[in-house]
Amino acid sequence: KNEVEQSPQNLTAQEGEFITINCSYSVGISALHWLQQHPGGGIVSLFMLSSGKKKHGRLIATINIQEKHSSLHITASHPRDSAVYICAVTKGTSGSRLTFGEGTQLTVNP
Amino acid sequence: EPEVTQTPSHQVTQMGQEVILRCVPISNHLYFYWYRQILGQKVEFLVSFYNNEISEKSEIFDDQFSVERPDGSNFTLKIRSTKLEDSAMYFCASSARTGVGAFFGQGTRLTVV
Repeated sequence: KNEVEQSPQNLTAQEGEFITINCSYSVGISALHWLQQHPGGGIVSLFMLSSGKKKHGRLIATINIQEKHSSLHITASHPRDSAVYICAVTKGTSGSRLTFGEGTQLTVNP
Repeated sequence: EPEVTQTPSHQVTQMGQEVILRCVPISNHLYFYWYRQILGQKVEFLVSFYNNEISEKSEIFDDQFSVERPDGSNFTLKIRSTKLEDSAMYFCASSARTGVGAFFGQGTRLTVV
């Protein structure tokens, strides 16, 4: 079983829709990360969370430590948001290495 | 904005050949990482490096792999004798300290034929 599970695997939305991507993890963590991977392959770090909620522009990330669950929300989605969104964790005992989920492929249609 | 730079962007090599993937981390960062992503699969940790030595490595990082910081700016991953299954995208990342997010390079796509 993967230590980091994401849902859904694939998500198609219409421009303007509110999007939610979920991440559950089964290990103790010191932080949870949301990353974005574009079609060319490059990875960009979006958020790092250890509690609560963070917002950057149209992106909001939340984490519930007790439930071992995090969500990434995109408000007013746009075709340029189309990418793979990846949840990753820094495990409590593993220093600073990241353990990745499988990713969610998001396609936003105009 | 500071960025992690990887070269080459794409490398094709024959099975059994040695390859060196190069990375220039962000200049004031102290922690360096290599990850890989086989096509269609999730990103996997290979190795982390701090204070001129390996701090963690995964079971993937066997004797065929090595890392080096030869000159204080570059950070390299060497694969001694490439296998077909080494074909993947290799990402370098760096961070200023633990407990903060890492910056990723654009990746090197390695194709072993």
